[in-house]
Amino acid sequence: KNQVEQSPQSLIILEGKNCTLQCNYTVSPFSNLRWYKQDTGRGPVSLTIMTFSENTKSNGRYTATLDADTKQSSLHITASQLSDSASYICVVSGPYGQNFVFGPGTRLSVLP
Amino acid sequence: GAGVSQSPSNKVTEKGKDVELRCDPISGHTALYWYRQSLGQGLEFLIYFQGNSAPDKSGLPSDRFSAERTGGSVSTLTIQRTQQEDSAVYLCASSLAAGAYNEQFFGPGTRLTVL
Repeated sequence: KNQVEQSPQSLIILEGKNCTLQCNYTVSPFSNLRWYKQDTGRGPVSLTIMTFSENTKSNGRYTATLDADTKQSSLHITASQLSDSASYICVVSGPYGQNFVFGPGTRLSVLP
Repeated sequence: GAGVSQSPSNKVTEKGKDVELRCDPISGHTALYWYRQSLGQGLEFLIYFQGNSAPDKSGLPSDRFSAERTGGSVSTLTIQRTQQEDSAVYLCASSLAAGAYNEQFFGPGTRLTVL
């Protein structure tokens, strides 16, 4: 069964600190992996996308990594800001149709 | 418009009533998706429209759920005889075209509460 798991379920950090969120998946065949940020009461917004041939992608203070062999991805946030408080969702896609598998998300809270 | 819009933003209804949720996709986007997000759960795919093709309804949880997309633009998700387990946030997304590489742009969602 195609699944995406994320850890931790929730995370609290102090402003200015770094953190890393994890995503493990069993989706096969694999096309690409996206990380989304979802602010409370809003729809998810794409941060990064990686295909199987890419192992790192950056978007400002966000850096995603992908190991297609172990089927693991991480999202590293550097120098966190209060506005980083949100849910971060890992989404893995197969190559056909609408085969998007969403993880349950990690809820990040950045405190002053 | 600048993005995907959904209405209403919140809907409270009584068990057994019918509800209609509306989605206005980004102009020119041919693909439109409906998802359901329950508390603490990942997004659950409901239905997908691509151009004039027959929709992919494989995610609809029961025959109480239906959706249509008129003129390739606005979409309406209808839930008949609502049940308490239907309470969730219903998200709509659109993309320029179908396929895994096309970014989905999400609306803010409709929060449905069935009493």
